[in-house]
Amino acid sequence: QVQLVQSGAEVKEPGASVKVSCKASGYTFTNYDINWVRQATGQGLEWLGWMNVNSGNTGNAQKFQGRVTMTRDTSINTAFMELSSLRFEDTAIYYCTRAPAKYCKKNGCYGGYNWFDPWGQGTQVTVSS
Amino acid sequence: QSVLTQPPSVSAAPGQKVTISCSGSSSNIGDNYVSWFQHVPRTAPKLLIYDSKNRLPGISDRFSGSRSGTSATLGISGLQPGDEADYYCGTWDTFLSAYVFGTGTKVTVL
Repeated sequence: QVQLVQSGAEVKEPGASVKVSCKASGYTFTNYDINWVRQATGQGLEWLGWMNVNSGNTGNAQKFQGRVTMTRDTSINTAFMELSSLRFEDTAIYYCTRAPAKYCKKNGCYGGYNWFDPWGQGTQVTVSS
Repeated sequence: QSVLTQPPSVSAAPGQKVTISCSGSSSNIGDNYVSWFQHVPRTAPKLLIYDSKNRLPGISDRFSGSRSGTSATLGISGLQPGDEADYYCGTWDTFLSAYVFGTGTKVTVL
């Protein structure tokens, strides 16, 4: 079955970086995009960004511009999300989720997303001094 | 700070029906399809509805979705204790070039 399995919990100090992995199975990894979403305790779902797995093109929410980096290793069907310059308010559960692939040409990728399915089990990232 | 507004909570007795509204604008709901997700905190969110009104295979027909103009609605009929969760709408925002989620609605079965 289609499945996304994420890496384990992380504890980081303010200013550090964290890299979360998301291993896909049960489908052709390069035929879909991966998006990243987080939820802080007591808060709602917050979208971080997308990655077209085939091209490696990415896009992110303005809030995370310059701090979030999304990559992939197609040889091991794994996507990665790195968040740098961590702050206390980055403490949250981070999820990866599969989405239909954007239409990508040489000058970029276009369109939105009609669905996210499935989701990874989540990775707790705690920023603490 | 979410661009999609939902009621904080709705509740009803078992067997009754609840509806959850999701209000947006011309650049998001007015221009793109809406998804609905069920989320029990600290577990993986679950897609219920995509393309505004289509149920994911395996999702009970007690769940229904609709969209009109810049608003969308999720209906849950025949409410069951297992339906207690947080529900989020989501869609692409063409102006922001970003995916946006609703503020979330907690469903309580009385």
